[in-house]
Amino acid sequence: GNSVTQMEGPVTLSEEAFLTINCTYTATGYPSLFWYVQYPGEGLQLLLKATKADDKGSNKGFEATYRKETTSFHLEKGSVQVSDSAVYFCALSRDNAGNMLTFGGGTRLMVKP
Amino acid sequence: DTGVSQDPRHKITKRGQNVTFRCDPISEHNRLYWYRQTLGQGPEFLTYFQNEAQLEKSRLLSDRFSAERPKGSFSTLEIQRTEQGDSAMYLCASSFSDASYEQYFGPGTRLTVT
Repeated sequence: GNSVTQMEGPVTLSEEAFLTINCTYTATGYPSLFWYVQYPGEGLQLLLKATKADDKGSNKGFEATYRKETTSFHLEKGSVQVSDSAVYFCALSRDNAGNMLTFGGGTRLMVKP
Repeated sequence: DTGVSQDPRHKITKRGQNVTFRCDPISEHNRLYWYRQTLGQGPEFLTYFQNEAQLEKSRLLSDRFSAERPKGSFSTLEIQRTEQGDSAMYLCASSFSDASYEQYFGPGTRLTVT
């Protein structure tokens, strides 16, 4: 079946540091890949997505590239801010069909001033 | 439109009682999803509807769980004879059935079974 594995947190960084959160997946077919973010006290929000191999999703300074050869979708940001402190979830949907999302376990990011 | 809404936001119930949650999706969206999230874990898919048709159910959805979307708008999720293991955050999401497939999530209903 489909699965998503994320690096465990928490990840603690100083402001303006470089961020990488690793995500790898197992899936049949051609899934779409997503990063969702959950800020404290708020619901899940889509951060970025990529629907085919070599696509790069980007939003708010975050980027992730769909790497089919390594089955990865790592999240990166060049300079984090305190306001980026949140829990980040990597997810996939199978066959680009928009059906069920399979989520990773989440990675908590804490950014210190 | 203000997004996906869920009611109640919190529910505390005693083991063995029945509970029902409601989800109101974004009005133009024809797909509606239910997920369950336990503390420190990612959400797990339970079921989804396209319009009023329930198209897929996870094996996590035991016989005690039932979901409906009678008019293709709001949805209800009922849990009968609740167990302590049902304690979790129940999330609802909605989307269009088009190429973007972005799911918009509600704030969730936190269930505590004592």
